[in-house]
Amino acid sequence: QVQLQQSGAELAKPGSSVKISCKASGYTFTSYAMHWIKQTTGQALEWTGYIAPGSGGTKYNEKFKGKATLTVDKSSSTAYMQLSSLTPVDTAVYYCARYSYNNYGGYFDFWGPGTMVTVSS
Amino acid sequence: DIQMTQSPSFLSASVGERVTLSCRASQNINKYLDWYQQKLGEAPKLLIYNTNNLHTGIPSRFSGSGSGTDYTLTISSLQPEDVATYFCLQRNSWPRTFGGGTKLELK
Repeated sequence: QVQLQQSGAELAKPGSSVKISCKASGYTFTSYAMHWIKQTTGQALEWTGYIAPGSGGTKYNEKFKGKATLTVDKSSSTAYMQLSSLTPVDTAVYYCARYSYNNYGGYFDFWGPGTMVTVSS
Repeated sequence: DIQMTQSPSFLSASVGERVTLSCRASQNINKYLDWYQQKLGEAPKLLIYNTNNLHTGIPSRFSGSGSGTDYTLTISSLQPEDVATYFCLQRNSWPRTFGGGTKLELK
């Protein structure tokens, strides 16, 4: 069965970086794009960007360019998101979500459990 | 960016009641509208994609409709397990954008 397993909570200092992971299993990793979504404690959801694991191609929300960097390790079926120059505004839960599609359209069908990133001095 | 506005922000309804949630886009999104349910402490869960396609395993009491800028999620008979926050998502344009959510509670 499809599973997305995310790394554990992070406590980081302002100005530092964190790299969170999303390990996929139960499907062919390179056949589905992986998207990343930020959710603040106020519950607002923001689409951050996506990566196509097969090609490594990426697309970012302009708001997160320079903030988020998406990579993959095909050998371990793991997607990564690095967040740099952290500020308290980056405090949020970050989800990875698989993008799938059929004849009727595309959708985020499987989501990871989320990784809580807290930025505090 | 396309702005997605959900209404109401909070909704209280009784078990068995028909519930309607709305999502309005700031421009035409050509039916590229999905609905997600998020329960407390969990990741969002796909309910409906492309306006009216029920995702696998989702109960038939959930349905979606709409076109252009206005979209609706309907729960035909509210069940206790439907207590959650519901988000809409547009996939017509980059960046993808979510609505602010409707929190659904039991009366």
